Amino acid sequence: EDKVVQSPLSLVVHEGDTVTLNCSYEVTNFRSLLWYKQEKKAPTFLFMLTSSGIEKKSGRLSSILDKKELFSILNITATQTGDSAVYLCAVTGNTPLVFGKGTRLSVIA
Amino acid sequence: DTAVSQTPKYLVTQMGNDKSIKCEQNLGHDTMYWYKQDSKKFLKIMFSYNNKELIINETVPNRFSPKSPDKAHLNLHINSLELGDSAVYFCASSFKNLGAFFGQGTRLTVV
Repeated sequence: EDKVVQSPLSLVVHEGDTVTLNCSYEVTNFRSLLWYKQEKKAPTFLFMLTSSGIEKKSGRLSSILDKKELFSILNITATQTGDSAVYLCAVTGNTPLVFGKGTRLSVIA
Repeated sequence: DTAVSQTPKYLVTQMGNDKSIKCEQNLGHDTMYWYKQDSKKFLKIMFSYNNKELIINETVPNRFSPKSPDKAHLNLHINSLELGDSAVYFCASSFKNLGAFFGQGTRLTVV
């Protein structure tokens, strides 16, 4: 059975800190790993990763995939209160998107 | 223009009723999904569907059924609603089973 495990489950940091969110997975015929940010409504797409070792970057957020060790990390530098959200990791393979339980990030001023 | 839209946004109904949630995507995607998100924010897939294959999560009760009149629509029908069905239901779509885009969700409350 495909599985996605995220850690930590929750995290509280101060503005300006750097955070690293972890995602490990087991999936048959891996195709892609995706990161989403969910605030009050729908998850919004952040990154899709398909190849090992290639960093994807968008502003203060970056992510990288290690297909050998079956994990990905999402980094957020210089955190802001607007980064407070649940960050979801998902993988696709033989089965459609399977999500982890998310990491709830709280950034306090 | 909304890429994935679902209606209604809120639905309050009594136990035992039958209800439907509609979903439409204008992205030209070939696969659509329904997810259920519980109070702890865990997104659990219920169905995925493209024009060739319906994949059903075996844990989903058969009171839930997807209906797809065409590639751009995947509606969710729920019969004999139960209290435990209360959740937020998200529709999503993707191209070739890659990254999915989500609708804004339907908060279903069964009373």
